[in-house]
Amino acid sequence: EAQVTQNPRYLITVTGKKLTVTCSQNMNHEYMSWYRQDPGLGLRQIYYSMNVEATDKGDVPEGYKVSRKEKRNFPLILESPSPNQTSLYFCASSTGGLTLHFGNGTRLTVT
Amino acid sequence: SQQGEEDPQALSIQEGENATMNCSYKTSINNLQWYRQNSGRGLVHLILIRSNEREKHSGRLRVTLDTSKKSSSLLITASRAADTASYFCATAAGSNDYKLSFGAGTTVTVRA
Repeated sequence: EAQVTQNPRYLITVTGKKLTVTCSQNMNHEYMSWYRQDPGLGLRQIYYSMNVEATDKGDVPEGYKVSRKEKRNFPLILESPSPNQTSLYFCASSTGGLTLHFGNGTRLTVT
Repeated sequence: SQQGEEDPQALSIQEGENATMNCSYKTSINNLQWYRQNSGRGLVHLILIRSNEREKHSGRLRVTLDTSKKSSSLLITASRAADTASYFCATAAGSNDYKLSFGAGTTVTVRA
């Protein structure tokens, strides 16, 4: 089954403790992207990647890192999480940036 | 910054009625997409309309695009309870299709 898999689904952590949210897709898509969703703000793009070793900033990249060493994986790294990064995070993939396939989300709480 | 903004923020209709929501955007686009989100789950792609198209249909969905007004509308005909969801438009400003921007969405509730 074609899918985008994010892990974990839920994560509660403390300020400053490094964490990684994994994202994997099995559709051989070149394009992958991370979004955060906050009430009243819709989805905001954090980072995107057009292919392996090609990443670029979205609208809200501060406090986040990404890497794209393999085509199927696009992890999101929070080196020093803060409470304002409490949010619902989505990974998505596609060919060419259109018709995105989304994962089921990771709900992150930073205390 | 948000490129697309949906209107209204929320909509409540009776099963069988039509639901219409609008999306306005700020700069020129190559295409516009509509997505649906069920209760905190991942978004699902509904339809894409290109800048040289004025109208597109997919099942009970009808999307229009007016580039002169920088706006699009999504019409869901003969709504069902399963259509209860949030609907988002997504656009990419200028020529960069990779940098997608979503609006805050329209929450649609279909009453039985």
